[in-house]
Amino acid sequence: QTVVTQEPSLTVSPGGTVTLTCASSTGAVTSGYFPNWFQQKPGQAPRALIYSTTNKHSWTPARFSGSLLGGKAALTLSGVQPEDEADYYCMLYYGGVRVFGTGTKVTVL
Amino acid sequence: EVQLVESGGGLVKPGGSLRLSCSTSGFTFSRYSMNWVRQAPGKGLEWGSSISSTSNPIFYAASMEGRFTISRDNAKNSLYLQMNSLRVEDTAVYYCVRGGMGATKDDTFDVWGQGTMVTVSS
Repeated sequence: QTVVTQEPSLTVSPGGTVTLTCASSTGAVTSGYFPNWFQQKPGQAPRALIYSTTNKHSWTPARFSGSLLGGKAALTLSGVQPEDEADYYCMLYYGGVRVFGTGTKVTVL
Repeated sequence: EVQLVESGGGLVKPGGSLRLSCSTSGFTFSRYSMNWVRQAPGKGLEWGSSISSTSNPIFYAASMEGRFTISRDNAKNSLYLQMNSLRVEDTAVYYCVRGGMGATKDDTFDVWGQGTMVTVSS
């Protein structure tokens, strides 16, 4: 059973920077896992932010960026806004099967 | 406008069956892979199944393999999920999600429906 692990919760001040990570139980995450990142606010469907490690959708704010960091996929929020408070999920590709991460609750305080 | 609208959710007893549908519009459905993703109440997201634009290949999460069947009708721009032998732990909101064009490995999961609730309870 493959497990994808994220930080349960992170707190950041408005205007600050925070990095969320996404680790695989199978080993280091590489671009071949095609990491995706999603944002979900209460009562809403998830919204796609990043695909294939670093690529942004047309609606993704510039302050969001994806990368690989120390064997993990990472999502960095720079210049955090109050509206960025949400749950964030990564998703990794395992040869056809995909697995979501455990999710990170980001609080802007 | 690209839209995905799920339907077919409801209350079903353990061991029962249900068929979810996802009606799509605003894009060329036949060119895209599609997915089902679910979320149990108060829990995280769980990827469930994917189907390529041509219905081959198809993949399932271990939790759905053997009980659920994903299918599509490109003429009707619709995606389906046949769910059999339902368990209490299948209770969740089920989302229809657009994958992408071309090779499915780099699918963008860019468009999500609003979801349909499935409750499995006696």
